[in-house]
Amino acid sequence: AQTVTQSQPEMSVQEAETVTLSCTYDTSESDYYLFWYKQPPSRQMILVIRQEAYKQQNATENRFSVNFQKAAKSFSLKISDSQLGDAAMYFCAYRGYQGGSEKLVFGKGTKLTVNP
Amino acid sequence: NAGVTQTPKFRILKIGQSMTLQCAQDMNHNYMYWYRQDPGMGLKLIYYSVGAGITDKGEVPNGYNVSRSTTEDFPLRLELAAPSQTSVYFCASSYAEQNTEAFFGQGTRLTVV
Repeated sequence: AQTVTQSQPEMSVQEAETVTLSCTYDTSESDYYLFWYKQPPSRQMILVIRQEAYKQQNATENRFSVNFQKAAKSFSLKISDSQLGDAAMYFCAYRGYQGGSEKLVFGKGTKLTVNP
Repeated sequence: NAGVTQTPKFRILKIGQSMTLQCAQDMNHNYMYWYRQDPGMGLKLIYYSVGAGITDKGEVPNGYNVSRSTTEDFPLRLELAAPSQTSVYFCASSYAEQNTEAFFGQGTRLTVV
């Protein structure tokens, strides 16, 4: 079964600095997709970035980038030039098939605090 | 675009009561999901549906039921509410293609007392 592990319950970063959030996952599939979602205090789930497993190139969206290591089953999120508005819960998610059924599985989340 | 609409936003139930959490999406998504979010536990999948008339259990289905009579609607039913069902519930929807993200509703905070 697919599992997603976020080993850092909480992280903090100074404004304008860089922070990396970790995520590992377990799967027997070769084709799948990975996502990072942001959940601010409003509870709204917002997509930050996505990565296709068949692409070796790491995805980038403005200040957000990932380090995707398929062999190690690792998918970390790097936030550069951190801003106060980046403070939120961040969830790593896996989407793929196994045994004919679609799975969208989330990690437990990392709470990011941005200090001014 | 309304996206994914959940109602109600908040609800307090007494033990043993029943209720239905409503979820509707207007994006013509095939897939719909129900998750519960408990502090420090992330999102756990309760039930999901890949299309009208098709539903399947997720990780934590006990105490819940769903139906999917239309593409747009995916209600979640709690029959005999228990304190363990106190949680924030999220409905989400997506296209079938795996590279598409899920869109979430605003969540329902449910307290069972």
